[in-house]
Amino acid sequence: GQNIDQPTEMTATEGAIVQINCTYQTSGFNGLFWYQQHAGEAPTFLSYNVLDGLEEKGRFSSFLSRSKGYSYLLLKELQMKDSASYLCAVKDSNYQLIWGAGTKLIIKP
Amino acid sequence: GAVVSQHPSRVICKSGTSVKIECRSLDFQATTMFWYRQFPKQSLMLMATSNEGSKATYEQGVEKDKFLINHASLTLSTLTVTSAHPEDSSFYICSAQIGDGGTEAFFGQGTRLTVV
Repeated sequence: GQNIDQPTEMTATEGAIVQINCTYQTSGFNGLFWYQQHAGEAPTFLSYNVLDGLEEKGRFSSFLSRSKGYSYLLLKELQMKDSASYLCAVKDSNYQLIWGAGTKLIIKP
Repeated sequence: GAVVSQHPSRVICKSGTSVKIECRSLDFQATTMFWYRQFPKQSLMLMATSNEGSKATYEQGVEKDKFLINHASLTLSTLTVTSAHPEDSSFYICSAQIGDGGTEAFFGQGTRLTVV
């Protein structure tokens, strides 16, 4: 079956750095996505990785290792508004998005 | 980025009635649209995939007669929850993509359905 694992919840301090990991086992791979979702709102796109390596976009970076079936989202200089759920999703061989359960990130002052 | 508009954002209906949710791609043609539901503190659960001009493909366990999907044009898909019951109360989200190999999915704002 297809499976995406990420931690259920993480806590970090304002101004610090946090890394949210995601491991996946899917039938085929056509890219990995990270989305941010605030409670009661739709997900918003953060990043897309299809090749191995690190993609940096401002305070957020995303890393992919296809051989290990592994990705992480790195958030720097954390702000209170970063408190949200972070969803990892993989497009399988049918270009269907397979979603992880999401990681709830709690930022403390 | 592309814009997907979902309407209504919130709806309260009585048990036994039907509710229609619209999902529109405003500035692009969406060959494929997806309908998700999300229960509190849980991830997105794909309900069905709809392609313009053809029948929707429903995920296992999703009743096609209860959740009617119509993708009549390249810019509009609708989800109708028929004979709604309190257990259908959930957050429903649509998304659209451009072509098969398109990268990101573009999401509507979501619809909070409460059945009383």
